[in-house]
Amino acid sequence: SAVISQKPSRDICQRGTSLTIQCQVDSQVTMMFWYRQQPGQSLTLIATANQGSEATYESGFVIDKFPISRPNLTFSTLTVSNMSPEDSSIYLCSVEIFGRTSGGSETQYFGPGTRLLVL
Amino acid sequence: SQQGEEDPQALSIQEGENATMNCSYKTSINNLQWYRQNSGRGLVHLILIRSNEREKHSGRLRVTLDTSKKSSSLLITASRAADTASYFCATDGYSGYALNFGKGTSLLVTP
Repeated sequence: SAVISQKPSRDICQRGTSLTIQCQVDSQVTMMFWYRQQPGQSLTLIATANQGSEATYESGFVIDKFPISRPNLTFSTLTVSNMSPEDSSIYLCSVEIFGRTSGGSETQYFGPGTRLLVL
Repeated sequence: SQQGEEDPQALSIQEGENATMNCSYKTSINNLQWYRQNSGRGLVHLILIRSNEREKHSGRLRVTLDTSKKSSSLLITASRAADTASYFCATDGYSGYALNFGKGTSLLVTP
Protein backbone atom coordinates (compact mmCIF):
# COMPACT_ATOMS: atom_id res chain seq x y z
CA SER A 1 0.00 0.00 0.00
CA ALA A 2 0.96 3.66 -0.18
CA VAL A 3 1.42 6.06 2.70
CA ILE A 4 -0.40 9.28 1.95
CA SER A 5 -0.39 12.40 4.07
CA GLN A 6 -2.47 15.52 3.78
CA LYS A 7 -2.00 18.97 5.22
CA PRO A 8 -3.78 20.55 6.95
CA SER A 9 -5.82 17.85 8.63
CA ARG A 10 -8.52 20.39 9.39
CA ASP A 11 -9.13 24.10 9.14
CA ILE A 12 -11.76 26.72 9.85
CA CYS A 13 -11.82 29.50 7.29
CA GLN A 14 -13.72 32.68 6.62
CA ARG A 15 -15.84 33.00 3.52
CA GLY A 16 -14.11 34.64 0.59
CA THR A 17 -10.68 33.27 1.50
CA SER A 18 -8.75 30.42 -0.10
CA LEU A 19 -7.15 27.30 1.31
CA THR A 20 -4.50 25.12 -0.29
CA ILE A 21 -4.47 21.45 0.66
CA GLN A 22 -1.33 19.41 0.18
CA CYS A 23 -1.12 15.71 -0.61
CA GLN A 24 2.18 13.83 -0.27
CA VAL A 25 2.76 10.20 -1.25
CA ASP A 26 5.66 8.02 -0.18
CA SER A 27 6.18 6.61 -3.66
CA GLN A 28 5.96 7.84 -7.22
CA VAL A 29 2.50 7.50 -8.70
CA THR A 30 1.08 8.48 -12.03
CA MET A 31 -2.56 8.93 -11.14
CA MET A 32 -3.79 11.12 -8.33
CA PHE A 33 -7.39 12.03 -7.65
CA TRP A 34 -9.11 14.65 -5.54
CA TYR A 35 -12.49 13.93 -3.98
CA ARG A 36 -14.95 15.92 -1.92
CA GLN A 37 -17.20 14.44 0.74
CA GLN A 38 -19.93 16.76 1.92
CA PRO A 39 -21.40 16.17 5.40
CA GLY A 40 -23.18 12.84 5.58
CA GLN A 41 -22.60 12.16 1.90
CA SER A 42 -20.51 9.87 -0.22
CA LEU A 43 -17.41 10.86 -2.16
CA THR A 44 -17.59 12.91 -5.32
CA LEU A 45 -14.67 13.21 -7.68
CA ILE A 46 -13.41 16.75 -8.21
CA ALA A 47 -10.59 16.12 -10.66
CA THR A 48 -7.89 13.76 -11.85
CA ALA A 49 -4.33 15.04 -11.66
CA ASN A 50 -1.57 13.49 -13.73
CA GLN A 51 1.96 14.73 -13.54
CA GLY A 52 2.94 16.79 -16.56
CA SER A 53 -0.56 17.60 -17.76
CA GLU A 54 -3.49 19.77 -16.83
CA ALA A 55 -5.93 18.35 -14.33
CA THR A 56 -9.17 16.97 -15.70
CA TYR A 57 -12.24 18.26 -13.89
CA GLU A 58 -15.56 16.58 -13.41
CA SER A 59 -18.85 18.20 -14.28
CA GLY A 60 -19.70 20.86 -11.73
CA PHE A 61 -16.10 21.60 -10.80
CA VAL A 62 -13.99 24.28 -12.49
CA ILE A 63 -10.34 25.17 -12.42
CA ASP A 64 -10.94 28.72 -11.22
CA LYS A 65 -12.63 27.40 -8.09
CA PHE A 66 -10.42 24.35 -7.51
CA PRO A 67 -6.99 24.92 -9.06
CA ILE A 68 -4.74 21.88 -8.83
CA SER A 69 -1.01 21.55 -9.11
CA ARG A 70 0.94 18.35 -9.76
CA PRO A 71 4.60 19.34 -9.86
CA ASN A 72 6.03 15.83 -9.49
CA LEU A 73 5.08 12.19 -9.04
CA THR A 74 4.76 12.33 -5.25
CA PHE A 75 2.96 15.61 -4.58
CA SER A 76 -0.18 17.52 -5.46
CA THR A 77 -2.12 20.49 -4.14
CA LEU A 78 -5.78 21.42 -4.33
CA THR A 79 -6.85 24.99 -3.65
CA VAL A 80 -10.40 25.82 -2.64
CA SER A 81 -10.84 29.41 -3.78
CA ASN A 82 -13.22 32.14 -2.68
CA MET A 83 -14.77 29.83 -0.16
CA SER A 84 -18.39 29.81 0.93
CA PRO A 85 -20.10 27.72 3.63
CA GLU A 86 -21.18 25.28 0.91
CA ASP A 87 -17.52 24.32 0.52
CA SER A 88 -17.48 22.86 4.02
CA SER A 89 -16.50 19.26 3.37
CA ILE A 90 -13.82 16.67 3.77
CA TYR A 91 -11.35 16.80 0.90
CA LEU A 92 -9.45 13.62 0.12
CA CYS A 93 -6.68 12.79 -2.26
CA SER A 94 -6.12 9.29 -3.53
CA VAL A 95 -3.55 7.49 -5.62
CA GLU A 96 -3.69 4.47 -7.82
CA ILE A 97 -1.24 1.68 -7.10
CA PHE A 98 -1.02 -0.96 -9.74
CA GLY A 99 -0.76 -4.64 -9.11
CA ARG A 100 1.03 -4.73 -5.76
CA THR A 101 -1.43 -6.85 -3.87
CA SER A 102 -4.30 -7.36 -6.25
CA GLY A 103 -2.92 -9.69 -8.83
CA GLY A 104 -2.57 -7.02 -11.44
CA SER A 105 -5.61 -4.93 -10.66
CA GLU A 106 -5.50 -1.34 -9.63
CA THR A 107 -6.06 -0.33 -6.03
CA GLN A 108 -6.72 3.18 -4.88
CA TYR A 109 -5.45 4.38 -1.53
CA PHE A 110 -6.68 7.46 0.23
CA GLY A 111 -5.12 10.11 2.37
CA PRO A 112 -6.55 10.89 5.83
CA GLY A 113 -8.56 13.81 4.47
CA THR A 114 -8.74 17.52 5.21
CA ARG A 115 -11.81 18.60 7.11
CA LEU A 116 -12.77 22.12 6.09
CA LEU A 117 -15.33 24.33 7.79
CA VAL A 118 -16.19 27.64 6.19
CA LEU A 119 -17.91 30.24 8.32
CA SER B 1 -20.82 9.98 -10.76
CA GLN B 2 -22.12 7.56 -8.14
CA GLN B 3 -22.74 4.10 -9.43
CA GLY B 4 -22.68 1.87 -6.37
CA GLU B 5 -25.67 1.71 -4.11
CA GLU B 6 -25.30 0.11 -0.71
CA ASP B 7 -27.96 -1.32 1.48
CA PRO B 8 -28.87 -1.12 4.19
CA GLN B 9 -28.09 2.54 4.76
CA ALA B 10 -27.66 1.83 8.45
CA LEU B 11 -27.07 -1.36 10.39
CA SER B 12 -26.92 -1.89 14.14
CA ILE B 13 -25.72 -5.18 15.62
CA GLN B 14 -24.14 -6.52 18.77
CA GLU B 15 -20.56 -7.62 19.18
CA GLY B 16 -20.00 -11.14 17.98
CA GLU B 17 -22.74 -11.02 15.38
CA ASN B 18 -22.11 -11.01 11.66
CA ALA B 19 -22.75 -7.92 9.55
CA THR B 20 -23.70 -8.13 5.89
CA MET B 21 -23.74 -5.15 3.57
CA ASN B 22 -24.79 -5.21 -0.05
CA CYS B 23 -23.78 -3.12 -3.01
CA SER B 24 -25.43 -2.89 -6.41
CA TYR B 25 -24.04 -1.14 -9.44
CA LYS B 26 -25.26 -0.29 -12.91
CA THR B 27 -22.60 -0.76 -15.56
CA SER B 28 -19.83 -3.24 -16.32
CA ILE B 29 -16.86 -3.05 -14.03
CA ASN B 30 -13.21 -3.97 -14.01
CA ASN B 31 -13.12 -4.44 -10.28
CA LEU B 32 -14.97 -3.51 -7.13
CA GLN B 33 -13.40 -2.26 -3.92
CA TRP B 34 -14.68 -1.94 -0.38
CA TYR B 35 -13.55 0.81 1.96
CA ARG B 36 -14.09 1.68 5.59
CA GLN B 37 -14.31 5.21 6.95
CA ASN B 38 -14.16 5.92 10.65
CA SER B 39 -15.99 9.02 11.84
CA GLY B 40 -15.31 11.32 8.90
CA ARG B 41 -11.67 10.40 8.50
CA GLY B 42 -9.85 9.04 5.48
CA LEU B 43 -10.86 5.86 3.74
CA VAL B 44 -9.16 2.59 4.55
CA HIS B 45 -8.95 0.10 1.72
CA LEU B 46 -10.37 -3.25 2.78
CA ILE B 47 -10.46 -5.50 -0.22
CA LEU B 48 -10.55 -5.51 -4.01
CA ILE B 49 -12.34 -8.14 -6.02
CA ARG B 50 -11.86 -8.39 -9.75
CA SER B 51 -14.67 -8.92 -12.21
CA ASN B 52 -13.58 -12.50 -12.91
CA GLU B 53 -13.56 -13.42 -9.22
CA ARG B 54 -16.61 -14.57 -7.30
CA GLU B 55 -15.42 -14.59 -3.72
CA LYS B 56 -12.53 -13.26 -1.72
CA HIS B 57 -11.51 -13.46 1.92
CA SER B 58 -9.35 -11.28 4.11
CA GLY B 59 -9.32 -12.06 7.82
CA ARG B 60 -12.87 -11.61 9.10
CA LEU B 61 -13.99 -10.13 5.79
CA ARG B 62 -15.66 -12.03 3.01
CA VAL B 63 -16.62 -10.35 -0.24
CA THR B 64 -18.69 -11.86 -2.99
CA LEU B 65 -19.31 -10.56 -6.48
CA ASP B 66 -22.11 -11.51 -8.84
CA THR B 67 -21.55 -9.75 -12.13
CA SER B 68 -24.73 -11.18 -13.63
CA LYS B 69 -26.73 -9.38 -10.94
CA LYS B 70 -24.32 -6.47 -10.73
CA SER B 71 -24.05 -6.85 -7.01
CA SER B 72 -21.53 -7.46 -4.28
CA SER B 73 -21.73 -8.21 -0.59
CA LEU B 74 -19.37 -7.60 2.30
CA LEU B 75 -19.63 -9.90 5.29
CA ILE B 76 -17.87 -9.06 8.54
CA THR B 77 -17.83 -12.05 10.86
CA ALA B 78 -17.64 -11.92 14.65
CA SER B 79 -18.00 -8.16 14.65
CA ARG B 80 -16.28 -5.94 17.21
CA ALA B 81 -17.04 -2.47 18.50
CA ALA B 82 -13.99 -1.28 16.54
CA ASP B 83 -15.79 -2.25 13.32
CA THR B 84 -18.18 0.66 13.88
CA ALA B 85 -17.71 2.79 10.76
CA SER B 86 -19.18 3.64 7.40
CA TYR B 87 -18.53 1.14 4.62
CA PHE B 88 -18.44 2.10 0.97
CA CYS B 89 -18.26 0.08 -2.18
CA ALA B 90 -16.57 1.64 -5.17
CA THR B 91 -16.40 0.55 -8.76
CA ASP B 92 -14.16 1.51 -11.63
CA GLY B 93 -13.84 0.66 -15.25
CA TYR B 94 -10.21 0.67 -16.17
CA SER B 95 -6.84 1.89 -15.00
CA GLY B 96 -6.60 5.63 -14.76
CA TYR B 97 -10.22 6.19 -13.95
CA ALA B 98 -11.51 7.43 -10.64
CA LEU B 99 -13.74 5.35 -8.46
CA ASN B 100 -17.51 5.61 -8.39
CA PHE B 101 -18.70 5.45 -4.80
CA GLY B 102 -21.97 4.32 -3.35
CA LYS B 103 -23.68 6.16 -0.55
CA GLY B 104 -22.33 3.85 2.12
CA THR B 105 -23.64 1.74 4.95
CA SER B 106 -23.27 3.05 8.47
CA LEU B 107 -22.48 0.15 10.80
CA LEU B 108 -22.84 0.39 14.56
CA VAL B 109 -21.54 -2.46 16.68
CA THR B 110 -22.55 -2.28 20.31
CA PRO B 111 -20.79 -4.13 23.14
